[in-house]
Amino acid sequence: EAGVTQFPSHSVIEKGQTVTLRCDPISGHDNLYWYRRVMGKEIKFLLHFVKESKQDESGMPNNRFLAERTGGTYSTLKVQPAELEDSGVYFCASSQGTGGHSPLHFGNGTRLTVT
Amino acid sequence: GQNIDQPTEMTATEGAIVQINCTYQTSGFNGLFWYQQHAGEAPTFLSYNVLDGLEEKGRFSSFLSRSKGYSYLLLKELQMKDSASYLCGAGGYQKVTFGTGTKLQVIP
Repeated sequence: EAGVTQFPSHSVIEKGQTVTLRCDPISGHDNLYWYRRVMGKEIKFLLHFVKESKQDESGMPNNRFLAERTGGTYSTLKVQPAELEDSGVYFCASSQGTGGHSPLHFGNGTRLTVT
Repeated sequence: GQNIDQPTEMTATEGAIVQINCTYQTSGFNGLFWYQQHAGEAPTFLSYNVLDGLEEKGRFSSFLSRSKGYSYLLLKELQMKDSASYLCGAGGYQKVTFGTGTKLQVIP
């Protein structure tokens, strides 16, 4: 089966610009997660979709971040306007069951650099 | 709140055994995950412990003590390709909370 794919793999933007990250989960996985790793820190939870519904968005830093999963398939994460502290690696993961007790399948991540 | 602690870095010799410890304090704990992440790649699933005790899977074993909030990942017969980051993650109700990861360097 195809794994979780993320696009783009790298993005360099200037402060104040907008960036949209995309994640295609494994087909049939209802659960989709976004995580972020800032250099030197833990991989931090951002939010969780079950199909097209946001189950938990408690990790979203602020209202500059908007995640969608239209139709319950792929998901996008938009940062608008981007700030310097948004730099990091954004990982998407999907699972058949909920991630609390089902293995997560991660994508390779999108490395975002805000200058 | 959620708190996961593991060493930042470790170094071990090829062919040896290394133990990577993880302590956790989380609410709604279901089980403990270990993932391996090579540089620039996606984290990949290694193990999941729900019950106390040791689970062995080839060269890798994982241990859990729920009462102590403690887990370890044991890697035997280390190979150079085992150089990677190892992520400890506490599974909660619907999500996993990760630590910073332990960067393991295997030297000849």
